[in-house]
Amino acid sequence: GQQLNQSPQSMFIQEGEDVSMNCTSSSIFNTWLWYKQDPGEGPVLLIALYKAGELTSNGRLTAQFGITRKDSFLNISASIPSDVGIYFCAGRNTGTASKLTFGTGTRLQVTL
Amino acid sequence: NAGVTQTPKFRVLKTGQSMTLLCAQDMNHEYMYWYRQDPGMGLRLIHYSVGEGTTAKGEVPDGYNVSRLKKQNFLLGLESAAPSQTSVYFCASSSHRGRYNEQFFGPGTRLTVL
Repeated sequence: GQQLNQSPQSMFIQEGEDVSMNCTSSSIFNTWLWYKQDPGEGPVLLIALYKAGELTSNGRLTAQFGITRKDSFLNISASIPSDVGIYFCAGRNTGTASKLTFGTGTRLQVTL
Repeated sequence: NAGVTQTPKFRVLKTGQSMTLLCAQDMNHEYMYWYRQDPGMGLRLIHYSVGEGTTAKGEVPDGYNVSRLKKQNFLLGLESAAPSQTSVYFCASSSHRGRYNEQFFGPGTRLTVL
């Protein structure tokens, strides 16, 4: 089955730095989602994107739906220690029982 | 609202044993899903259900069975556990209405098969 490619796989950054990660697919999606997973917990939805080219923010997080519908990007500004976790992208198409195809994840670690 | 709950949180099985994982949601969602998560990989869909009494196979269904006898519950069964089924299992649910029917996840069950 298909899994989306996320990069980077992992990153260490210092508190206060900005973070960028992306997700690419070989096929198109009409919805892109970004989830965050804290250790020992289930994924929690951060941002949902519904239209090609859309740019959406949620606090310090900004995500974009790529114009080709085959990619998406997530930026985190001024990172803080609680940003630590694994970030997953997911793609979805209508008429598929809302099934999600997940990326492989980006592990973010923030140092003081 | 408890959202999506899963029991048990942890379980250790011996090869060949059977068990059932329970997922419950109190959001009146039609759709429910079971995923497994392995190190270095994203979540992969095992089975899903679009309503009470219906189930369908996902990406990695082999070795698992499911049942949705009540709308709020979705059970995942392992009839004869194998070490390859050592994983973290997540349940999720979503509404079937409208465009913004996002999935909400439970806290996970960590299963080890020896």
